Amino acid sequence: GAGVSQSPRYKVAKRGQDVALRCDPISGHVSLFWYQQALGQGPEFLTYFQNEAQLDKSGLPSDRFFAERPEGSVSTLKIQRTQQEDSAVYLCASSLSGVTSEQYFGPGTRLTVT
Amino acid sequence: LAKTTQPISMDSYEGQEVNITCSHNNIATNDYITWYQQFPSQGPRFIIQGYKTKVTNEVASLFIPADRKSSTLSLPRVSLSDTAVYYCLVGPTYSGAGSYQLTFGKGTKLSVIP
Repeated sequence: GAGVSQSPRYKVAKRGQDVALRCDPISGHVSLFWYQQALGQGPEFLTYFQNEAQLDKSGLPSDRFFAERPEGSVSTLKIQRTQQEDSAVYLCASSLSGVTSEQYFGPGTRLTVT
Repeated sequence: LAKTTQPISMDSYEGQEVNITCSHNNIATNDYITWYQQFPSQGPRFIIQGYKTKVTNEVASLFIPADRKSSTLSLPRVSLSDTAVYYCLVGPTYSGAGSYQLTFGKGTKLSVIP
């Protein structure tokens, strides 16, 4: 079966532009996670959904970051007025149930802000 | 917050057993210990998860002492394809106020030498 997919795989944005990153989780997976990974660093947690409910957004670095999962399946991470420090790989993961379950990661979207 | 500490890098020859230790002195009662493997330009991939004592699956073993302040991932007879970054994830620690504090460490870069 298909794994977690993310699109686009690469995104170049000029500083100040808005971007939207898409995640298609594994069908039937209740939980969805977003992480930010800077070069040479481990993934940093951004936010967590259980179905359509955003249960944890404590990792979102600023109010320019917004995530949604309106129908409990596909999720979008939106970054407004991008800044250079937003350049990173954004990883999406899904799990069958809850935060302790095995997470299945997508390939990530590499965002470069120029 | 269960902060983790891992060696930055390790080298091993093919066919050897590799043990990677993660320290997590502040682990909470409800925290699980999960290890992920990440290859360049890919998302992390689940290896193994445990709570206490020893867990073994088809690719690795996880040893957790009674005090749970550390854990050791054991990879038997590594091959060149095991060259990757290995992350120890401890959590989730629900801190209240909607935060599960899923925290990856900086990871251990394992290089397998022919």
